[in-house]
Amino acid sequence: AQSVTQLDSQVPVFEEAPVELRCNYSSSVSVYLFWYVQYPNQGLQLLLKYLSGSTLVESINGFEAEFNKSQTSFHLRKPSVHISDTAEYFCAVSDQTGANNLFFGTGTRLTVIP
Amino acid sequence: DAMVIQNPRYQVTQFGKPVTLSCSQTLNHNVMYWYQQKSSQAPKLLFHYYDKDFNNEADTPDNFQSRRPNTSFCFLDIRSPGLGDAAMYLCATSTSRMRLAGITDTQYFGPGTRLTVL
Repeated sequence: AQSVTQLDSQVPVFEEAPVELRCNYSSSVSVYLFWYVQYPNQGLQLLLKYLSGSTLVESINGFEAEFNKSQTSFHLRKPSVHISDTAEYFCAVSDQTGANNLFFGTGTRLTVIP
Repeated sequence: DAMVIQNPRYQVTQFGKPVTLSCSQTLNHNVMYWYQQKSSQAPKLLFHYYDKDFNNEADTPDNFQSRRPNTSFCFLDIRSPGLGDAAMYLCATSTSRMRLAGITDTQYFGPGTRLTVL
């Protein structure tokens, strides 16, 4: 089975400052990795994903994440955050055996301070 | 726009009174999922349908049931809600065209239904 650890439950950061949200995973098989964002009282929206190929993946709103197999990490970064980035961020992993199940971390609450 | 729709967005029920949550999708995805997300916790998979095949997670209580009458709709039935069942319930869909070969696709989530149990 897979598991995901998000070490930081809350991350406050000033507007226009850089941010890194950490994610580590554990799995005995090859995995796919995802970051989802959840705004208050809303469902989860896919931010970016790693399936194969380039280990650096980017989203349309300036976030990026790098898959590091040796460190079993998939940290999310943004060089300059906006107020609108305030949300809960979930890292998730699924295996490649066809089970099609996502295992989520406990989430990181990003608060951008004006 | 193709999307995942959940109704209602907010549901209030009484302790022990059966309740049904609805999910529909216009994505024509063959896999549909139900997750439970309690306050400040990660979403937890309850079960999923792969086409018409129902797949229950081992630790999902018997109190939770699901129906999928067609590709577009999936229902979550809670037979006797308890106070501990108050949560956000998330529906998701994905395409998995080659299940045994391990070809899986991204899950797309609906906005969720927040269930309150009085």
